[in-house]
Amino acid sequence: GENVEQHPSTLSVQEGDSAVIKCTYSDSASNYFPWYKQELGKRPQLIIDIRSNVGEKKDQRIAVTLNKTAKHFSLHITETQPEDSAVYFCAAVNTGFQKLVFGTGTRLLVSP
Amino acid sequence: DAGVIQSPRHEVTEMGQEVTLRCKPISGHNSLFWYRQTMMRGLELLIYFNNNVPIDDSGMPEDRFSAKMPNASFSTLKIQPSEPRDSAVYFCASSLYSLGTSGNTIYFGEGSWLTVV
Repeated sequence: GENVEQHPSTLSVQEGDSAVIKCTYSDSASNYFPWYKQELGKRPQLIIDIRSNVGEKKDQRIAVTLNKTAKHFSLHITETQPEDSAVYFCAAVNTGFQKLVFGTGTRLLVSP
Repeated sequence: DAGVIQSPRHEVTEMGQEVTLRCKPISGHNSLFWYRQTMMRGLELLIYFNNNVPIDDSGMPEDRFSAKMPNASFSTLKIQPSEPRDSAVYFCASSLYSLGTSGNTIYFGEGSWLTVV
């Protein structure tokens, strides 16, 4: 089955810096890669996603890149703000099987 | 749309008691997922249903756990008997089939915070 590894487990940056979180997946058939943000005590919420036929996707200050050959994908947050502080999860799924597998999460702390 | 609705939001129970968690998926969604979240193991998929049929329950930890989906608008996750190590946040989520197509993605409920003492 699919296995998703995520690094780093914690990331501390200064406000205004960029943050990068990286994930690798094992199943070459996986074709959909969402990223979720979870604030303390809240539910995970989708922030951006990418399909395997796309190499990069941007939405304002966040972007995701995908390297299918290497089986890894990354989340990039630019101009970080304190409200970006949260746990971020990557995930991978083979849409034919509908089974979304999550990475272990990255705790991002943005200091003012 | 009210989103995925879970109940109870918080439950504290004694070891050995039966626990039933409930979920109402987003109307029209035909896939339903139960996840468990702990500090040690992160977000684990326990089971998922497509069109009310259990498709993959390989994540269910043991026979003490069972899940049902009697109709398209209701699912339960039952733990009997409960143990302290079952303490976790249990999330229900739903989506349209299939994930990743036409913008379909998975939406989580608020979670049920379970403490077994």
